[in-house]
Amino acid sequence: EAQVTQNPRYLITVTGKKLTVTCSQNMNHEYMSWYRQDPGLGLRQIYYSMNVEVTDKGDVPEGYKVSRKEKRNFPLILESPSPNQTSLYFCASCQDKVSTGELFFGEGSRLTVL
Amino acid sequence: AQSVAQPEDQVNVAEGNPLTVKCTYSVSGNPYLFWYVQYPNRGLQFLLKYITGDNLVKGSYGFEAEFNKSQTSFHLKKPSALVSDSALYFCAVRDPYYGQNFVFGPGTRLSVLP
Repeated sequence: EAQVTQNPRYLITVTGKKLTVTCSQNMNHEYMSWYRQDPGLGLRQIYYSMNVEVTDKGDVPEGYKVSRKEKRNFPLILESPSPNQTSLYFCASCQDKVSTGELFFGEGSRLTVL
Repeated sequence: AQSVAQPEDQVNVAEGNPLTVKCTYSVSGNPYLFWYVQYPNRGLQFLLKYITGDNLVKGSYGFEAEFNKSQTSFHLKKPSALVSDSALYFCAVRDPYYGQNFVFGPGTRLSVLP
């Protein structure tokens, strides 16, 4: 089954404690992206990657890091989380940068930073 | 720059009545347009897309959308609403001229009343 898998689905942490949200897709997609969803703000892009070892900032990259060492994985790293990073995070992927394909989303990771 | 507007935060409709969720967009070239639905505690699910061709596109769960280039709109419609259609709906645009990044609207919450 084609899917995007995120872990953990729920996480409560404290300010400053480094955490990683993993994302994996099994569709051999080149393009992957992270979004955060906040009430009234919709989806905002954090980082995206066009292919292995190619990443770029989205609209709200501050406080986040990503890496793309393998095509299937695109982890989101919060080196020193702060309460304003409390949010619902989504990983998504699509075929490549020139296709007409849609984005496939993971189920989301709800993060609370105390 | 590309942008998407969903002018209504909330749409209420009685079960069995037709529904419309509005979306307008702004892009430099010819847009790729998408609708997604989000059920509680779930990721975004693809409903339908317009790439080229017939202005009326049909998608999942009986939904359809009409592309109107002159009005730069892509409204989502369904002839007869179901209570189970209650969810958060997102319109998204992708402008091939700028590459593959998707831009999402703020979302519209649809409530179908029994």
